[in-house]
Parts: sequence; structure tokens; C-alpha cells
Amino acid sequence: KNQVEQSPQSLIILEGKNCTLQCNYTVSPFSNLRWYKQDTGRGPVSLTIMTFSENTKSNGRYTATLDADTKQSSLHITASQLSDSASYICVVRKTGANNLFFGTGTRLTVIP
Amino acid sequence: NAGVTQTPKFQVLKTGQSMTLQCAQDMNHNSMYWYRQDPGMGLRLIYYSASEGTTDKGEVPNGYNVSRLNKREFSLRLESAAPSQTSVYFCASSEFGTGLTYEQYFGPGTRLTVT
Repeated sequence: KNQVEQSPQSLIILEGKNCTLQCNYTVSPFSNLRWYKQDTGRGPVSLTIMTFSENTKSNGRYTATLDADTKQSSLHITASQLSDSASYICVVRKTGANNLFFGTGTRLTVIP
Repeated sequence: NAGVTQTPKFQVLKTGQSMTLQCAQDMNHNSMYWYRQDPGMGLRLIYYSASEGTTDKGEVPNGYNVSRLNKREFSLRLESAAPSQTSVYFCASSEFGTGLTYEQYFGPGTRLTVT
């Protein structure tokens, strides 16, 4: 069954600290993996997209990693800011399909 | 560019009422999508339109109909609303094709409550 699981479900960190969010998937055959940021009351916005051949991709303070062998990805946030408070959603696309498989997200709260 | 716009932002319906959620995009994208987002669940695809003139069912199509009015607009209709359709609905658009990294752009969502 094609699934995307994220951990933790929620996380609270102090402003300025780093954190890492995890994503495990069973989607096959794999095409690409995306991380989205969703602010409360808004639609998801893409942070990174990684294909099979990419191990690491950065977007400012966000760095995503992908291990296609173990079917795991992580999103590392460096020097967190209050504006990083949001849900982070891992999304995997299956080769040849127009559907995306969404994780349930990690709710990150950054406190001063 | 406004990107993807949705109307209305909020709606309360009584069971059995009907309504249409509107979506428009100004990015000249070929493909458009309707998702629903429920607490504790990932976004689930209701219907999508790979290109103008075509529509296909997604994961949870029951109780919904769609119309791809033109390249810009894709509407979602609830003919007889049920409490189980209480959710946040997102429209998205993307380029169509076999490109590995085509991006989906999401609208701001419509929060629907059915009582």
C-alpha cells in the first residue's frame, strides 16, 4: 500500500534552535519527494522537490535529505524563527501517476 | 499574478443543500486538482483535470462533481451536502506532462461546515 508517514506529529522548539522532521514512505515506484510548508489557514507552499538521484537539497534555512534505498527523507530547519511555525507536509509522487501521496504533516511551533 | 484563487473562503451548509466551490488560476497551467484536508489525515485528491476538457476521479470522489469550465477555471459541486463533507477544500494547479518535478500550486482553501 502506498503510504507516507511523518514524525513527530508535533514539535515545540525555542527560537534559534535547529530541528529535524522525518518522513518514511512506501510509495513505489518512486518519482520524487516534496516538502511543503502550510501556514495556518493557508494552502501548502513548496519548499523543495527531490528526485531519485538527489540526496540533499537546500532552500535557505531548510535542508531536505533523501535516502531512496531506505525510503526515508528528512527536513532540517536551521536557526528556527517564529515564522517557521507551521505544518510541514511530506509528499511523494509515484512514477507514471498523476497522483501525489501526502503525509499527515508535522506541526512545528517555534516559541520565543 | 494572483496564482490560484478560491471562493468562497468560508461556507456553512445544512445537510442536503447544494453548493459550488469555485477555483481559478492565472498561471496558464494545464492541470487542476481538488483536494480535501481533514484533521489527522493527509490531503486527499477528490478529482483532477489533466487538461482542458478532461476530468478524472481521485481517491475520494463520492458525493462530488466537477466541471473544467475552461483552462483557467475548475469548479467542485456538492449536490447534496452531508456532515461527512465538512472539511477544508484546496484547489491546485500545475503544468501537465511527464516532467519529474512539475510543481503544484495551491489556493488558500475553502472551509466548509455541513450541519
